[in-house]
Amino acid sequence: DAGVTQSPTHLIKTRGQQVTLRCSPKSGHDTVSWYQQALGQGPQFIFQYYEEEERQRGNFPDRFSGHQFPNYSSELNVNALLLGDSALYLCASSRGDRENTEAFFGQGTRLTVV
Amino acid sequence: AQSVSQHNHHVILSEAASLELGCNYSYGGTVNLFWYVQYPGQHLQLLLKYFSGDPLVKGIKGFEAEFIKSKFSFNLRKPSVQWSDTAEYFCAVNGGGFKTIFGAGTRLFVKA
Repeated sequence: DAGVTQSPTHLIKTRGQQVTLRCSPKSGHDTVSWYQQALGQGPQFIFQYYEEEERQRGNFPDRFSGHQFPNYSSELNVNALLLGDSALYLCASSRGDRENTEAFFGQGTRLTVV
Repeated sequence: AQSVSQHNHHVILSEAASLELGCNYSYGGTVNLFWYVQYPGQHLQLLLKYFSGDPLVKGIKGFEAEFIKSKFSFNLRKPSVQWSDTAEYFCAVNGGGFKTIFGAGTRLFVKA
């Protein structure tokens, strides 16, 4: 039973560029949440996707957007990269049909913006 | 707005010492509470969770946490730590909706 997988594991981009990160949820999960974890801080909620729609969003600008596919996998897109976007981006999957549910996290994608 | 405060950013203990990591949250309604652990080089894993019922929750590897509603606290405890408990520990709160708020984390180093 595969857990949450994210790709790529590491990425270096130049300021102003655009980036796409990918996530495959744990088998049986239909909900994907994305988090940004800056160095020395806890994960911060970016948004959550369920049934191919964004159903809640954190305090992140519109440069951060996402998508969920029919197979429940998800992408996180960040446009016009800033140096401050350098962080570990975590994907977490869960079952969206349950009110009390735990999330399973992937290893993350380390994004460095230079 | 919801927030989570973890009192200690770094904790150093010797093996067999007792551990208590503090966590306070700000939210007035019903909450779901979590402790996650991140071992070196590994992904975040759930240590324990509280949704309802008995406020003393037991998790994996001998960890437990107590939910004290009047103090808005959810402190993590372990009677006797091992070198293998060296990790970063995150307290997290979900106060309804789909957004989970994490604390800044506590880095625990256990000396062998």
